[in-house]
Amino acid sequence: EVQLVESGGVVVQPGGSLRLSCAASGFTFDDYDMHWVRQAPGKALEWVSVISWDGDSTYYAESVKGRFTISRDNSKNSLYLQMNSLRGEDTALYYCAKDRNPIAATNYFDSWGQGTLVTVSS
Amino acid sequence: DIQMTQSPSTLSAFVGDRVTISCRASQSISRSLAWYQQKPGKAPKLLIYKASNLESGVPSRFSGSGSGTEFTLTISSLQPDDFATYYCQQYNSYSWTFGQGTKVEIK
Repeated sequence: EVQLVESGGVVVQPGGSLRLSCAASGFTFDDYDMHWVRQAPGKALEWVSVISWDGDSTYYAESVKGRFTISRDNSKNSLYLQMNSLRGEDTALYYCAKDRNPIAATNYFDSWGQGTLVTVSS
Repeated sequence: DIQMTQSPSTLSAFVGDRVTISCRASQSISRSLAWYQQKPGKAPKLLIYKASNLESGVPSRFSGSGSGTEFTLTISSLQPDDFATYYCQQYNSYSWTFGQGTKVEIK
């Protein structure tokens, strides 16, 4: 059974930094592209970032480009999101999500974690 | 970036009704579209991918159609478990976008 477990969400002040983690199990982690998707309270889903299965390619939403960095450690079956220069509008539940297909990504998300809450507030 | 617009934002229906949700892309995305269901306090669940392909384990009352800029999610006979919020999602040129969601409520 695929499991994705996010952690690291806390209350942080504007301008602060935070690192989220996602622990994966139940599938061959290093075969899949992985994404971060966020959801502000009561709002729609917003895609944040993706990293390719081998870690060679990364892409970001314009809203986080230059502030967030996605990375992975395939030896630890773990995905990360380093978040710097945090703003109030970054307050959200952050989900990690897995692409549906190995290697040749479909760009659809077939498994999701339960999310970790990041609150940016003074 | 491609914008995705869903309609309606909220839909009230009876159990047993046929329900249709629309999703419009701001430019053509061929068939690069998925539909997700999200219940309160839960993660989204993939229902349909590549516009019309039913994800494994999803009931056959769910179906998707469309291509280009116009897409539709249909629930043929609404069940109590289907009351939730539904999102469309597109992929194009290293950019992924969700619609704003359609909440399906009990009438």
